[in-house]
Amino acid sequence: EAGVAQSPRYKIIEKRQSVAFWCNPISGHATLYWYQQILGQGPKLLIQFQNNGVVDDSQLPKDRFSAERLKGVDSTLKIQPAKLEDSAVYLCASRGTSGGNNEQFFGPGTRLTVL
Amino acid sequence: AQKITQTQPGMFVQEKEAVTLDCTYDTSDPSYGLFWYKQPSSGEMIFLIYQGSYDQQNATEGRYSLNFQKARKSANLVISASQLGDSAMYFCAMRDPYGGSQGNLIFGKGTKLSVKP
Repeated sequence: EAGVAQSPRYKIIEKRQSVAFWCNPISGHATLYWYQQILGQGPKLLIQFQNNGVVDDSQLPKDRFSAERLKGVDSTLKIQPAKLEDSAVYLCASRGTSGGNNEQFFGPGTRLTVL
Repeated sequence: AQKITQTQPGMFVQEKEAVTLDCTYDTSDPSYGLFWYKQPSSGEMIFLIYQGSYDQQNATEGRYSLNFQKARKSANLVISASQLGDSAMYFCAMRDPYGGSQGNLIFGKGTKLSVKP
């Protein structure tokens, strides 16, 4: 079974530029999460999707961040315009709805550096 | 509010010895789940072990076990027979019972474990 895929793995941009990240969850997983992990901290949830609907985006800075999951599979996270404090690793995770402990499976992350 | 506290920024352990990583949590909800994840330098979060609040026994998964003390609100991870490949960041997390229909995860700040040969 393929894991969660993310691209790009690394991205360097200047402040005020735009950037987009892509995530492909594990096949069949209805729930998809985007987390932001700042250096030295644990991941913090940005947005949660259930199929193609948003369940929780209370911690998403909506003035500059947006995310979508149009067909209930792949998802993109966009930042426009980027700020220095957006430098972080952006992790995508997915979760199934049956069996197991309902753990989340994470992708390798995208490391963003804003100069 | 739900909160996870990991008080050990860094830990050292000799190869083949056991090590305990501390985690305390705070929640007023009687139903919750606790997770431990490992994050090597490559960046991916790897699920290690899970403990449900109503589970009667401490969870075990191979060399990993969870010392769950409900009254103290602690969920310490014990790694037995440490290996060099265990060197990584370790995060304790709790499923937020109020976080959406599927429950989001709230993470601690992590503990960096270094295994010495």
